[in-house]
Amino acid sequence: GAGVSQSPSNKVTEKGKDVELRCDPISGHTALYWYRQSLGQGLEFLIYFQGNSAPDKSGLPSDRFSAERTGGSVSTLTIQRTQQEDSAVYLCASSSRERGEQFFGPGTRLTVL
Amino acid sequence: AQTVTQSQPEMSVQEAETVTLSCTYDTSESDYYLFWYKQPPSRQMILVIRQEAYKQQNATENRFSVNFQKAAKSFSLKISDSQLGDAAMYFCAYRSSSSNTGKLIFGQGTTLQVKP
Repeated sequence: GAGVSQSPSNKVTEKGKDVELRCDPISGHTALYWYRQSLGQGLEFLIYFQGNSAPDKSGLPSDRFSAERTGGSVSTLTIQRTQQEDSAVYLCASSSRERGEQFFGPGTRLTVL
Repeated sequence: AQTVTQSQPEMSVQEAETVTLSCTYDTSESDYYLFWYKQPPSRQMILVIRQEAYKQQNATENRFSVNFQKAAKSFSLKISDSQLGDAAMYFCAYRSSSSNTGKLIFGQGTTLQVKP
């Protein structure tokens, strides 16, 4: 079946604007992760969703970052008032169960000018 | 907190030769999982191999094998008969068995170049 998809593939925005990044997990996968890959910080965990449980937001770097997952499927990561340090590749992964193997999407490259 | 360290930012290997990528980690836990992921220029992370800490036997997947030294907290990846398609960035990752989230903690990555 289809893998994890993310859109857009690339996003260029101006400092101060809000952006939304979308993740479509593998159908039936209950667990969904967002990670950020940047030159300065490497690959870091942002947020985790599992079924209808409250998400683990412990990795979000500031309150400008938020994410939601509608209907237990599609997830949107929102960054408000973007800053240049937000420039990174944002990766989404899904898993069929809690702590199962994670399958990654191709990521969204965000560039903040 | 757990940390993962990859001390080789870049490595190169001749096609058909063998290369070893290093990874060390720090944890106070006794049960955990370790992974090697490959990230080609397409950016999509692909799981190469996994190792469960309670298993003494080193994991093997075709041309890929690991040398897991639990006491030394070392987890190296050996790629045998290197192929051009192996060129990519490789990440070592740790996952706690007790974590509710199963989040991965990654090393900084090693870029592997394969020379024809």
